[in-house]
Amino acid sequence: NAGVMQNPRHLVRRRGQEARLRCSPMKGHSHVYWYRQLPEEGLKFMVYLQKENIIDESGMPKERFSAEFPKEGPSILRIQQVVRGDSAAYFCASSPEGRVNQPQHFGDGTRLSIL
Amino acid sequence: AQKVTQAQTEISVVEKEDVTLDCVYETRDTTYYLFWYKQPPSGELVFLIRRNSFDEQNEISGRYSWNFQKSTSSFNFTITASQVVDSAVYFCALSEALGGYQKVTFGTGTKLQVIP
Repeated sequence: NAGVMQNPRHLVRRRGQEARLRCSPMKGHSHVYWYRQLPEEGLKFMVYLQKENIIDESGMPKERFSAEFPKEGPSILRIQQVVRGDSAAYFCASSPEGRVNQPQHFGDGTRLSIL
Repeated sequence: AQKVTQAQTEISVVEKEDVTLDCVYETRDTTYYLFWYKQPPSGELVFLIRRNSFDEQNEISGRYSWNFQKSTSSFNFTITASQVVDSAVYFCALSEALGGYQKVTFGTGTKLQVIP
């Protein structure tokens, strides 16, 4: 499967724990986007990364959330000290060069549940 | 600022009826792309169509058709002879180049229920 791979598909954490969500972009894609979908809502942009660089994190909460896309390996969205309100589906998308005429390809999402 | 409005929160139709899902967008860019995605109950996002701002031709794909009207900033989606498998949440999205890179804004979605 050469698509965007996200894991885990489901993640359960207790309040105060850390959540790590992984995203491997499509082969040849060096641009990654993270979106959050709260229950019964649409997808909201969180952060846009290229390899080793954060380009736009305007949608990311200022505290507890961080993202990285290292030179080697998947992109990671990290949520520290999770709270109930972090329960959501987190989608990753990738594109080859981030240009507007290149569609973003989405993974199947990670469903995060906070107990 | 870019914005996508899907005014219909939920729609219920009886199987075999036609149904149109509305999408209205706002953008200041002259070059942009519009998308429709389907999110079935299993949760993944299924890409349905992409249309660029210079191509106002309507498109038909099987039972699906899309009507793009720049004059009204609308990109509506019609399902003909709906089926139970069409039950899902449908998202309209707008992509434009802001600050030199692509940014996608999603509507809040329309939940379609097709009743057998």
